[in-house]
Amino acid sequence: DAKTTQPPSMDCAEGRAANLPCNHSTISGNEYVYWYRQIHSQGPQYIIHGLKNNETNEMASLIITEDRKSSTLILPHATLRDTAVYYCIVRPRSNDYKLSFGAGTTVTVRA
Amino acid sequence: DAGVIQSPRHEVTEMGQEVTLRCKPISGHNSLFWYRQTMMRGLELLIYFNNNVPIDDSGMPEDRFSAKMPNASFSTLKIQPSEPRDSAVYFCASSPSGSRADTQYFGPGTRLTVL
Repeated sequence: DAKTTQPPSMDCAEGRAANLPCNHSTISGNEYVYWYRQIHSQGPQYIIHGLKNNETNEMASLIITEDRKSSTLILPHATLRDTAVYYCIVRPRSNDYKLSFGAGTTVTVRA
Repeated sequence: DAGVIQSPRHEVTEMGQEVTLRCKPISGHNSLFWYRQTMMRGLELLIYFNNNVPIDDSGMPEDRFSAKMPNASFSTLKIQPSEPRDSAVYFCASSPSGSRADTQYFGPGTRLTVL
């Protein structure tokens, strides 16, 4: 799997947009970008995924650069409940069940 | 929907003891996963069942670990004998479509401490 690089931590003001970057310069053509998060003392939670087009769902938006070497997860209106560790991973779409998380970005939303 | 249920939530045991972790997947889901999470190694897949059959157990650390899924609504992960390095949070996840990463629903985890 392609390696991803994320900042270790970031703060965000409640009600503002949180933009979480991820670098994946070695991503291959058949690999998707997935985002998960893990709230303290809970199991991981799927957020969103994409291949090359921007994606949006009820939780977040995913912006992937044209060269696919980086992406940004956007939480449009961060709340205190969005405080969590956010993981960016790249996986091929077929048989992509094997999730493996590294350190991720610890996002703290402050009132 | 109750979600994935794991028990116990916390387990403290002494080295050499047998430990059994339990999981009840979401009803109707045909795939079940056991993961282990530690600070050093992050989240690692231990084993993946599809329709109660083990499909991928390449992540099971060694013979001390065993997992079973006797029916669609129950799975166990057993460690015998346990060692301090087994201390971790163990997650169970289930999915209605096993081979996709975007449909895994995780339980709250079992925090295991081996003294």
